[in-house]
Amino acid sequence: SQKIEQNSEALNIQEGKTATLTCNYTNYSPAYLQWYRQDPGRGPVFLLLIRENEKEKRKERLKVTFDTTLKQSLFHITASQPADSATYLCAPSLTGGGNKLTFGTGTQLKVEL
Amino acid sequence: NAGVTQTPKFRILKIGQSMTLQCTQDMNHNYMYWYRQDPGMGLKLIYYSVGAGITDKGEVPNGYNVSRSTTEDFPLRLELAAPSQTSVYFCASSYFAGTDKPPLHFGNGTRLTVT
Repeated sequence: SQKIEQNSEALNIQEGKTATLTCNYTNYSPAYLQWYRQDPGRGPVFLLLIRENEKEKRKERLKVTFDTTLKQSLFHITASQPADSATYLCAPSLTGGGNKLTFGTGTQLKVEL
Repeated sequence: NAGVTQTPKFRILKIGQSMTLQCTQDMNHNYMYWYRQDPGMGLKLIYYSVGAGITDKGEVPNGYNVSRSTTEDFPLRLELAAPSQTSVYFCASSYFAGTDKPPLHFGNGTRLTVT
């Protein structure tokens, strides 16, 4: 069955550093991969989508890579700020399927001053 | 635009009681979804709908029912509440984009406790 793995341990980094979060998947080959941010008590908010034919996608301080050989996506936040502290969820998905998404369990990021 | 609105925000139910979680969206999205989120378990899809009058089961549909009579509304019904249904419930919506993958827009959730 499809499996999505994100590091369950919180990632603590210092303000100004680059945060790197990992999303690994097994037993399928997604055509798309989405990243969401979730703050406590709130619903997830969409950040970025990357397609299988795109190796890298950027949006402001965010960068996502998609390595279909390694079955892995990396999510980078450069020049991190305390306001970036949140849980980040990845959702690798196949084409079609009613746009259903399966999410990883998320990684909590804490940016300290 | 309000986006996706869920009510209530919090609810405590006794075992065996029933309730309806309300969800409405004002973005004219065709697709709507119900997820539940348990600590350390991630989001699990309960039911989804690709348009008014069409619903289908997700990964964890047992104990729940849905209906979609309008584009805007997608209520989730719990008939006989059980402690295992204690969770945070999120409603989401997205537009139809053929084979592409549009993002999901989530509400802020309903925190349900069954005791």
